[in-house]
Amino acid sequence: GAGVSQSPSNKVTEKGKDVELRCDPISGHTALYWYRQSLGQGLEFLIYFQGNSAPDKSGLPSDRFSAERTGGSVSTLTIQRTQQEDSAVYLCASSLELNSGNTIYFGEGSWLTVV
Amino acid sequence: AQSVTQLGSHVSVSEGALVLLRCNYSSSVPPYLFWYVQYPNQGLQLLLKYTSAATLVKGINGFEAEFKKSETSFHLTKPSAHMSDAAEYFCAVTHFGGYQKVTFGTGTKLQVIP
Repeated sequence: GAGVSQSPSNKVTEKGKDVELRCDPISGHTALYWYRQSLGQGLEFLIYFQGNSAPDKSGLPSDRFSAERTGGSVSTLTIQRTQQEDSAVYLCASSLELNSGNTIYFGEGSWLTVV
Repeated sequence: AQSVTQLGSHVSVSEGALVLLRCNYSSSVPPYLFWYVQYPNQGLQLLLKYTSAATLVKGINGFEAEFKKSETSFHLTKPSAHMSDAAEYFCAVTHFGGYQKVTFGTGTKLQVIP
């Protein structure tokens, strides 16, 4: 696609429910990132994929959070047993293969509200 | 380890005035530095990036930033603010080698006063 696509754009869920957030990166981008942006906060790194593997999962806040990527393309971020503190914007981004000079392109985010 | 510090979570300028958004970085190796802009209810868009070429980097919408190693700074400037510049601006750092983990600052919201 032309840009990074994320769905849903908005999600309201009840505390304790599971949610899945989807990211479709730019075609040909092998690197994919998830960040979380809470109100008044900066961007918090969650996880990074190179192809289908995730070399760094250190940013996932708890074991309720998991992510996978299949076929080197679409990624899903899953939050189990959601809590109110999980309310945030979840941003997905992608870039060309590993090279620190490459621009990271962001999607418009999935706004999650846990009530 | 790497980090960025953005001084001032909110900055207000008059339309037509100079825009100066401050960013200081910390990196144990030569950094790559980025400025991103986020308009309301949108994702982040790259303004400009420094990747060890020219220290003065020009970006979109008339913005530029200068890499100053001695000051560990990468401040963003624009000579004349426009109403459309009102947004949140994020400074970010990464470095060559290893995977490309990008560390972002906490952001600066720019208000442009007519």
